[in-house]
Amino acid sequence: NAGVTQTPKFQVLKTGQSMTLQCAQDMNHEYMSWYRQDPGMGLRLIHYSVGAGITDQGEVPNGYNVSRSTTEDFPLRLLSAAPSQTSVYFCASSYAGTNTGELFFGEGSRLTVL
Amino acid sequence: AQSVTQPDIHITVSEGASLELRCNYSYGATPYLFWYVQSPGQGLQLLLKYFSGDTLVQGIKGFEAEFKRSQSSFNLRKPSVHWSDAAEYFCAVVRYSSASKIIFGSGTRLSIRP
Repeated sequence: NAGVTQTPKFQVLKTGQSMTLQCAQDMNHEYMSWYRQDPGMGLRLIHYSVGAGITDQGEVPNGYNVSRSTTEDFPLRLLSAAPSQTSVYFCASSYAGTNTGELFFGEGSRLTVL
Repeated sequence: AQSVTQPDIHITVSEGASLELRCNYSYGATPYLFWYVQSPGQGLQLLLKYFSGDTLVQGIKGFEAEFKRSQSSFNLRKPSVHWSDAAEYFCAVVRYSSASKIIFGSGTRLSIRP
């Protein structure tokens, strides 16, 4: 019963490097999302998807790309990492979007950009 | 703009004492409301949610919350806290009919005094 799985759990990058944070869920949820968590700012929505082939921007999308080729996977790509992207990233999914269902979260990926 | 305010950044209570965490939101209509808990190093877990109906809702781990429309508040309460309740708590809202975007407050960190 894996739920939402994020990899890697920890990552250190240099400025300008690119990387992909992986997110997979085994609950057949249509809705998936990425948040970043910074001290004193709560969680801010980066991108979200309401189904395979459909993605949209959240509050803080700049510097990040996403795709949703399958229901299970929702990777987050950092194209050219910047120190401002140092954060803890959470992937979350839901069976019915966020207006009626609860979000199920992964354990987070801590990213440091030097 | 839609917003969620948690005025208390950090609260310390003694074990066995009662707890109230404050949450205020700004919307024209009644939103969907949630409380999530985040234990250290973990993702968020849903404690309880309010969509409509009875304004006092019960959640897991002995928590409850009361929706007060007149005060635009959704405060979280627990009659007697346990050391294991030490965590960060997030209030969240989704505006009715606005799918897929859940807005989180900045969080309240709860410490328990032995």
